[in-house]
Amino acid sequence: GQSLEQPSEVTAVEGAIVQINCTYQTSGFYGLSWYQQHDGGAPTFLSYNALDGLEETGRFSSFLSRSDSYGYLLLQELQMKDSASYFCAVSPTPMDSSYKLIFGSGTRLLVRP
Amino acid sequence: DAGVIQSPRHEVTEMGQEVTLRCKPISGHNSLFWYRQTMMRGLELLIYFNNNVPIDDSGMPEDRFSAKMPNASFSTLKIQPSEPRDSAVYFCASSVAQGGVSEQYFGPGTRLTVT
Repeated sequence: GQSLEQPSEVTAVEGAIVQINCTYQTSGFYGLSWYQQHDGGAPTFLSYNALDGLEETGRFSSFLSRSDSYGYLLLQELQMKDSASYFCAVSPTPMDSSYKLIFGSGTRLLVRP
Repeated sequence: DAGVIQSPRHEVTEMGQEVTLRCKPISGHNSLFWYRQTMMRGLELLIYFNNNVPIDDSGMPEDRFSAKMPNASFSTLKIQPSEPRDSAVYFCASSVAQGGVSEQYFGPGTRLTVT
């Protein structure tokens, strides 16, 4: 089976940097994705890591260590609009040619002025 | 591009009634996913299709739930009979299966309330 762990809540100040960690256990692993969801909205894709290392996309970066079954999402120069829930999701070994996602329980980020 | 379209956006029904949720994926996407989100259980994958064929329905909670994808541009999730514990937001998502993990695009969701 698969399981993911991430903190339930994180609070940070506008302009600061915050790191949201994710550890996973899965039978077969292909990659780790991150999604953002604002209250009342739908999840939207942020980043994906298949290989070890850091992927940077603007103010957001994502890191993966396959040997440690660990990843994190780094948000820099926090803005009020970054207040949302952030989900890590693992892609287990694919069936057919499609890749499903198993989502963690989400981390609610509150950015304060 | 229209994005993933779901209907209805809100559904309130009484216990025992049949509920049908609808989804139109993004044109050209060949994978379609149905998720359910609740505070208690988070975001759960119910079933997914590749090229209109169900690949994994292990997340479907009970026989009361069924899903179909008769063609590349339409899918339904049906609950019959509905129960109060089925109350949740149901999301449909689509992606392009191309030999690697690709971004899933989520629809706006259907908020289902069963009284």
